Amino acid sequence: EIVMTQSPATLSVSPGERATLSCRASQSIRSDLAWYQQKPGQAPRLLIYAASTRATDIPARFSGSGSGTEFTLTISSLQSEDFAVYYCQQYNKWPPRYTFGQGTKLEIK
Amino acid sequence: EVQLVDSGGGLVQPGGSLRLSCVVSGLSFSSYWMTWVRQAPGKGLEWVANIKQDGNEKWYVDSVKGRFTISRDNAKNSVYLQMNSLRVEDTAVYYCARQEWRYFDYWGQGTLVTVSS
Repeated sequence: EIVMTQSPATLSVSPGERATLSCRASQSIRSDLAWYQQKPGQAPRLLIYAASTRATDIPARFSGSGSGTEFTLTISSLQSEDFAVYYCQQYNKWPPRYTFGQGTKLEIK
Repeated sequence: EVQLVDSGGGLVQPGGSLRLSCVVSGLSFSSYWMTWVRQAPGKGLEWVANIKQDGNEKWYVDSVKGRFTISRDNAKNSVYLQMNSLRVEDTAVYYCARQEWRYFDYWGQGTLVTVSS
């Protein structure tokens, strides 16, 4: 099983500042990575797929980068609605053994 | 507007069964794989199972193999998760989601399954 490790567990950032979230895979997954945002009591929302492609209607302040084992989600200028938990997910293997990271909670500083 | 509506959750005793349903509207249901993802209380996300467009290919996470069965009815735009021999550790919110390639772009609101005596 591919293990996904996110860091930090909690990130405190002020509105208007930049946030950088990391995700590491236990083995190479090429660019087979997605990022999701989840707010309390809500379903996850797809932000990024193929490591760097924004999903439909996702603002340009969200960007993804990386390949192989190291990935980053950057939010360039935090808005109040961006404070949430973020998960990465790998989808490299077939038959499917999709796995998620444990999440990074982005909180207001 | 795309909508996925999950239902069927509830309280069940260990060893019991439940059947979850997800009704989809606003998208071409029969053209996509569908998946179930769960989230234990206060925990992260776990992929559970998925099913091909025609229902002839299904995959499961190891922890539910032999106990859970995913199915679909394209005429009803619905996907199901039959859960048997439920365990306390199956307690979670269960989400259905549309699988675009191998990631999940539309999600239901989730339905809570609680396994407890």
